[in-house]
Amino acid sequence: AQKITQTQPGMFVQEKEAVTLDCTYDTSDQSYGLFWYKQPSSGEMIFLIYQGSYDEQNATEGRYSLNFQKARKSANLVISASQLGDSAMYFCAMREGLRSYQLTFGKGTKLSVIP
Amino acid sequence: DAGVTQSPTHLIKTRGQQVTLRCSPKSGHDTVSWYQQALGQGPQFIFQYYEEEERQRGNFPDRFSGHQFPNYSSELNVNALLLGDSALYLCASSLGGGGTEAFFGQGTRLTVV
Repeated sequence: AQKITQTQPGMFVQEKEAVTLDCTYDTSDQSYGLFWYKQPSSGEMIFLIYQGSYDEQNATEGRYSLNFQKARKSANLVISASQLGDSAMYFCAMREGLRSYQLTFGKGTKLSVIP
Repeated sequence: DAGVTQSPTHLIKTRGQQVTLRCSPKSGHDTVSWYQQALGQGPQFIFQYYEEEERQRGNFPDRFSGHQFPNYSSELNVNALLLGDSALYLCASSLGGGGTEAFFGQGTRLTVV
């Protein structure tokens, strides 16, 4: 089974609008961390936001917020006030357990911001 | 403050050859992880180096090996290259290997012909 599922291969959003990118995860660990990264065409993975499994509040970083629904095992990324520079691939990733150091990534969502 | 730097940025190799990719972690970071990203896919974990030793390994064959130096920089070596090894190779650095974020380099794009 896929550990990280991103069901939207591509998304379009109008400039200045908000957009939600979906991510569901699968783990039996109680302790885990969820990450979102942005990958422009240049290739570099840019860290956006982190949510720990024990964090009670949804994480926010500027225009990025993470809608964490633990019971549903979802960790959707919300980008407010989209900008043209937000056009990129977006990846959801998970680190499981206390002794694992690897990040497991989903297949990504390509976001295109329309002027 | 320099971020994660990788070299070279692009590389073309012939099937069967060997290749070495290099990574310098972000200042203050002591842990380096390597990922392989095939076209249209998310990155896949190869291995992580901490205190000059391989601490964790993903599902990659022994043809993939690495090294970490005392200054925390790292190398990824791939022997007997296959066409399927063509990918973007990403290096990520962090402090202690865990934590709430990992910083990635711009990657090395390897093409095997």
